[in-house]
Amino acid sequence: QVQLVQSGAEVKKPGASVKVSCKASGYTFTGYYMHWVRQAPGQGLEWMGRINPNSGGTNYAQKFQDRVTMTRDTSISTAYMELSRLRSDDTAVYYCARFDVDSYDMDVWGQGTTVTVSS
Amino acid sequence: QAVVTQEPSLTVSPGGTVTLTCGSSTGVVTSGHYPYWFQQKPGQAPRTLIYDTSNKHSWTPARFSGSLLGGKAALTLSGAQPEDEAEYYCLLSYSGARVFGGGTKLTVL
Repeated sequence: QVQLVQSGAEVKKPGASVKVSCKASGYTFTGYYMHWVRQAPGQGLEWMGRINPNSGGTNYAQKFQDRVTMTRDTSISTAYMELSRLRSDDTAVYYCARFDVDSYDMDVWGQGTTVTVSS
Repeated sequence: QAVVTQEPSLTVSPGGTVTLTCGSSTGVVTSGHYPYWFQQKPGQAPRTLIYDTSNKHSWTPARFSGSLLGGKAALTLSGAQPEDEAEYYCLLSYSGARVFGGGTKLTVL
């Protein structure tokens, strides 16, 4: 079945970087975009950006433009989201979600990865 | 960046009908914003209910429907069930970017 499995929880110090992975299975990885969304504790969802796994092309939310890098490794069907210069307000659950460019459907979500930024 | 607005909270009686809306600071919400609606329950990942304004998934209960209403995107729940109590988020597309609304906490009471 179609599945997105994310890497485990991370604890980082302010100023550090974190790299979250999202491993896809059950479908052709390069046929769907991957979006990244985060949710701070008790807060709403926030769109961070997307990557086209086929070309590697990216679009980032303006807020994260200078701190986020989304990449992929097609050989292992895995997308990555790296966030640098972490601050305490980056503490959140980070999700990946599959996006179908033909139907505009965002149908499958990863289970989420908790990133805690604390000194 | 555009701001997407939702009602912070709504209450519906069991069996009742409620409409959640999703507005855009840039003006009228159209099909070109490809509105999405997600349901999220505590401790769970979001689940997509509606995509591209009104399309449902196989897991979307028939009592949910999406539309455009009065210049906004709308999610209508007809015949609310206790299990529909959750947070609901809309998402709008702006060219290459996406923006979430702040979410609506729906109480079934």
